Amino acid sequence: SQQGEEDPQALSIQEGENATMNCSYKTSINNLQWYRQNSGRGLVHLILIRSNEREKHSGRLRVTLDTSKKSSSLLITASRAADTASYFCATVGGQAGTALIFGKGTTLSVSS
Amino acid sequence: EPEVTQTPSHQVTQMGQEVILRCVPISNHLYFYWYRQILGQKVEFLVSFYNNEISEKSEIFDDQFSVERPDGSNFTLKIRSTKLEDSAMYFCASSAESRQPQHFGDGTRLSIL
Repeated sequence: SQQGEEDPQALSIQEGENATMNCSYKTSINNLQWYRQNSGRGLVHLILIRSNEREKHSGRLRVTLDTSKKSSSLLITASRAADTASYFCATVGGQAGTALIFGKGTTLSVSS
Repeated sequence: EPEVTQTPSHQVTQMGQEVILRCVPISNHLYFYWYRQILGQKVEFLVSFYNNEISEKSEIFDDQFSVERPDGSNFTLKIRSTKLEDSAMYFCASSAESRQPQHFGDGTRLSIL
């Protein structure tokens, strides 16, 4: 399997707190992407970080990438109840480089 | 903002029957994908499609599965003879280029009885 596991599997926090999710992968990558999935909905792309980047920001999101450790983290700052969702990291796999390989995800619950 | 649309949202089918899941990708996208998510499990890649042919497929995508772009807008997934274990959420996605963010529809929940 190309993809490792996200941790934690579940995370419960209060509104206003920060949430950090981690992801590991096993092979070399071109980029790593983070997606969010609200219950019963499709996946929504959040942010893409290239293999030559170490950190990237988008609004309240901060993603880091450590290719030496084959790991990435997603930080959501000042969380809101609307951030409640499952979060997945994905790497591009397959011989043609078109398949997204997802981890099992982190389920985030933000209570107000 | 343009979005990927999937129909139906829920499909109930008897085991052994054929089922066709439909998707309308974002209009200027060139790459199309199908994924599935069995309840409680991770999202799994099934197949990618580019330039009117399959780019790659996973081990899950066996001879029971086929994809087609019958016209300029629709992208379909056909399961020829459904099995109980085909019950899952099926997501269609599209992207402008390979290795770039993929845009997902809200999925079709397929229930095999």
